[in-house]
Amino acid sequence: QLQLQESGPGLVKPSETLSLACTVSGGSITSSDYYWAWIRQPPGKGLEWIGTIYYSAVTYSNPSLKSRLTISVDTSKNQFSLGLTSVTAADTAVYYCVRDVVVPGYFDNWGQGTLVTVSS
Amino acid sequence: QSVLTQPPSVSGAPGQRVTISCTGSSSNIGAGYDVHWYRQLPGTAPKLLLFGNNNRPSGVPDRFSGSKSGTSASLAITGLQAEDEADYYCQSYDSSLIGSVFGGGTKLTVL
Repeated sequence: QLQLQESGPGLVKPSETLSLACTVSGGSITSSDYYWAWIRQPPGKGLEWIGTIYYSAVTYSNPSLKSRLTISVDTSKNQFSLGLTSVTAADTAVYYCVRDVVVPGYFDNWGQGTLVTVSS
Repeated sequence: QSVLTQPPSVSGAPGQRVTISCTGSSSNIGAGYDVHWYRQLPGTAPKLLLFGNNNRPSGVPDRFSGSKSGTSASLAITGLQAEDEADYYCQSYDSSLIGSVFGGGTKLTVL
């Protein structure tokens, strides 16, 4: 059964870089049928798509975050990663890594999510 | 401000039918892109409920159905049960933003 697990610091200082990794188990990140995405949810608010990556490293990014965003993939570790620079309190959220079925498509498997708080 | 608009809350008594609307525009739902629905129980990650407008993943009961017309879509839940109390989100693709977009979410309360 496919599982996705986020990992990374739970606290990041303002103006610094948020870095998260997602480890995929129970399936290969190089499957041609799927893409891999990051979605976030500020406390008490709705969902926001951050970006999507294919195992070949083709990426799609939310235009509102694109200038600060890096999404990468490491097929040898079956992982993909998120980097978000110059963070502010508005970036405080639960960050989910998810499997993206087709682009444009839908998200059929979600990690449990990890809360990242931006605070000094 | 979400690209897709959902009512903040809906409610219904056990056994009743409720619907949740999702209104978009000509660059997303109106452009023919599929609508997908997710359910989020308190303190947990969202879970896919319907994909491709009205397709249920394995394990989702047929009490849940979806429809799409023009620039809107809706989720219908029949035979409402206490465990249906959750937040529901619609999602589609927007050709102007060139990416996935979500509704703001609807909190379903079972009375």
